[in-house]
Amino acid sequence: DTAVSQTPKYLVTQMGNDKSIKCEQNLGHDTMYWYKQDSKKFLKIMFSYNNKELIINETVPNRFSPKSPDKAHLNLHINSLELGDSAVYFCASSTGSNQPQHFGDGTRLSIL
Amino acid sequence: GQNIDQPTEMTATEGAIVQINCTYQTSGFNGLFWYQQHAGEAPTFLSYNVLDGLEEKGRFSSFLSRSKGYSYLLLKELQMKDSASYLCAVRGVGSGYALNFGKGTSLLVTP
Repeated sequence: DTAVSQTPKYLVTQMGNDKSIKCEQNLGHDTMYWYKQDSKKFLKIMFSYNNKELIINETVPNRFSPKSPDKAHLNLHINSLELGDSAVYFCASSTGSNQPQHFGDGTRLSIL
Repeated sequence: GQNIDQPTEMTATEGAIVQINCTYQTSGFNGLFWYQQHAGEAPTFLSYNVLDGLEEKGRFSSFLSRSKGYSYLLLKELQMKDSASYLCAVRGVGSGYALNFGKGTSLLVTP
């Protein structure tokens, strides 16, 4: 059973398009996250959600919008894609401040 | 904000011991995590320190000194499969449990 699953694994699209990445966790965790890993492998927090409330938003452009229909899902919508959005996007989840985050396998987004 | 530093690359020999250092400067501290990431894969959790001292887990140990803003990850009896990127991450206060990662240390284990 996959703990944190995200789809699609690969996403190739053109500049200006709108796309979504889905994430689901079956661990019963109450907090979910989106991270971006750039070409230099630097992993940076984008959003975290706790009980359907956005907790932080780290200076991410408003073209990115997280949506959480329930605490097991946190989807990422991206409007008007730009070349600089090419990266690997990881979803993660956790419960409690001293518990590790579990990561999904990542979505490799390539903008043509 | 937070500033997390770790060496970019390290090389070690199979069977040896390697220590990967991490220093951090943070406005609030709520724990330090080490993750392993193989190329093309997701980060996987290795260890967690919130109090000063050493945490041991099989071949992996992690040390924390909060007063010095310093941690290290110690890998013993290195195996070829340990070749990976090792990420140091700090959890700040009031960050909604989000982790701030260093840029990672790419470890190459040679025969």
